[in-house]
Amino acid sequence: EPEVTQTPSHQVTQMGQEVILRCVPISNHLYFYWYRQILGQKVEFLVSFYNNEISEKSEIFDDQFSVERPDGSNFTLKIRSTKLEDSAMYFCASSESRDNTGELFFGEGSRLTVL
Amino acid sequence: AQSVAQPEDQVNVAEGNPLTVKCTYSVSGNPYLFWYVQYPNRGLQFLLKYITGDNLVKGSYGFEAEFNKSQTSFHLKKPSALVSDSALYFCAVSGTDSNYQLIWGAGTKLIIKP
Repeated sequence: EPEVTQTPSHQVTQMGQEVILRCVPISNHLYFYWYRQILGQKVEFLVSFYNNEISEKSEIFDDQFSVERPDGSNFTLKIRSTKLEDSAMYFCASSESRDNTGELFFGEGSRLTVL
Repeated sequence: AQSVAQPEDQVNVAEGNPLTVKCTYSVSGNPYLFWYVQYPNRGLQFLLKYITGDNLVKGSYGFEAEFNKSQTSFHLKKPSALVSDSALYFCAVSGTDSNYQLIWGAGTKLIIKP
């Protein structure tokens, strides 16, 4: 069964360092997403991406964050200068359609710990 | 403004008993409603969705949910709970008159006791 894969599974970094989280969406999917879940809290939308550009982004997705699809398979989330409050589980998701009648397929997540 | 409410932080059910996890919503236009499950240290998995049609939708692992337009609810149910159903359950919604962003509930921790 096709799946979304994410790397690394866990990253520990110092405050102020840059972090790149990687995702390989399901191959025939066209829409990609990043979500964040602070430990024990709700899932929060960060950004959606289609046709090599951002479709939507939330208030959380400020100038410290960026996304790109560098090679047609990977979908990356970059945090330029990490803050303590960026510590969270980051989930990548992909979907076939944009109209939200379809399901999202999530990766297992990347746990980011900022010290 | 769109919103989703899961009024219970935690639901405790004895194995073999029926379970209900509640969800109410507020959206613009007609709602698209989803339930996802998160097992410990895992990503979210799709359980079921309501887009249109029959108000009772069936999904994975024996779960079902009933769309109630008048009560703006989409409660998740299962006739007979299993210990392995213990997990975090998230309700999510988007509306046909809104952007495509899913709005998520805070999650409900379901604990099934043997």
